[in-house]
Amino acid sequence: DARVTQTPRHKVTEMGQEVTMRCQPILGHNTVFWYRQTMMQGLELLAYFRNRAPLDDSGMPKDRFSAEMPDATLATLKIQPSEPRDSAVYFCASGTNSGAEITEAFFGQGTRLTVV
Amino acid sequence: AQKVTQAQTEISVVEKEDVTLDCVYETRDTTYYLFWYKQPPSGELVFLIRRNSFDEQNEISGRYSWNFQKSTSSFNFTITASQVVDSAVYFCALSGNSGYALNFGKGTSLLVTP
Repeated sequence: DARVTQTPRHKVTEMGQEVTMRCQPILGHNTVFWYRQTMMQGLELLAYFRNRAPLDDSGMPKDRFSAEMPDATLATLKIQPSEPRDSAVYFCASGTNSGAEITEAFFGQGTRLTVV
Repeated sequence: AQKVTQAQTEISVVEKEDVTLDCVYETRDTTYYLFWYKQPPSGELVFLIRRNSFDEQNEISGRYSWNFQKSTSSFNFTITASQVVDSAVYFCALSGNSGYALNFGKGTSLLVTP
């Protein structure tokens, strides 16, 4: 049963600490998304990769957030330094974009981040 | 720019009632895709349906049905004979050839009571 795997599932950290969230996309998928969900803002796109290349990270605070895909099986989202306002659920999703067609995105279970 | 509007923030129904969740979208893309996702209380996002802009046929899957109307830029979702397990937040999303990433609406929280 193919699924997107995110680690950790929960993270509590102190303000100022570095946080790294990891995502293993579904094998064969060539697109990866990072979304942040909060009560106030809903689901916000942070970054989008296609074939490991970043295509859109306009929704990501550049001064403290960074997203990478070191290889096709791993995507990372890093926050340094973390702030209480970063507390949210972070979702990774993967899908397929052939250029001619876009498939649905399958979501991981999310990382619930609490910054105190 | 792409935009998805789910005007209904919360809906409460009694079990076995039919309920329709509204979704209105805006896009300038010539090719686009519409999606519905379900987020139950456990928190995961579950894919329900994808529809491309060239296919306006309505779709039925069990108790779920979707009505896509390009003329009104709407992609509404109906649950027939609702059940308590349908209680969740439902998101409508849009993706198009200008950007490809999914743009989500704010979601509609559905509560089905016995």
